[in-house]
Amino acid sequence: DAGITQSPRHKVTETGTPVTLRCHQTENHRYMYWYRQDPGHGLRLIHYSYGVKDTDKGEVSDGYSVSRSKTEDFLLTLESATSSQTSVYFCAISESDRGEQFFGPGTRLTVL
Amino acid sequence: QKEVEQNSGPLSVPEGAIASLNCTYSDRVSQSFFWYRQYSGKSPELIMSIYSNGDKEDGRFTAQLNKASQYVSLLIRDSQPSDSATYLCAVNPGGAGSYQLTFGKGTKLSVIP
Repeated sequence: DAGITQSPRHKVTETGTPVTLRCHQTENHRYMYWYRQDPGHGLRLIHYSYGVKDTDKGEVSDGYSVSRSKTEDFLLTLESATSSQTSVYFCAISESDRGEQFFGPGTRLTVL
Repeated sequence: QKEVEQNSGPLSVPEGAIASLNCTYSDRVSQSFFWYRQYSGKSPELIMSIYSNGDKEDGRFTAQLNKASQYVSLLIRDSQPSDSATYLCAVNPGGAGSYQLTFGKGTKLSVIP
């Protein structure tokens, strides 16, 4: 398995609070991604990074920000959590220029 | 908008049969195609990659790509109950900076013992 960990694995929080999810990789891959997965919507890209301090928006970026200060870490922040952000969040990494991505174990976030 | 379409299923096949999973995509210039398997409550796992027209075999899995028809499929031979999962099709458009994948919503496969 690709060396990808996510923390926390589960989190329950309240509406309006900030939340930060962490993705850590030991593969030294250049590209990192944050997805959310919801029933009926499948996997949707939130943000991605193509290098340290280089990030870009994905399909569903509103309400989320990211940071990547080191190759191995990619942080996803929900600036003010809302119930619509209740989801399972997956981090993925990629090095191949053909786009193969490898996924972390996921974080289940519940916003009450 | 780039789209990847899959039949949501569930697709039920008896143990030992061939399961056939299909995927169509809208972006004609797409270059790379992937199949992921996702067990309930788990993360997606890459099982097949295909980049050129034709068939690619890996064990019991065969991926088939037809770029002219914008169609990619996954065949699972000798299906086992452990193959019961949701299968996600993903497409990468290729080209400079195209490291994003567009995923289909997945097909749920159930292999009946």
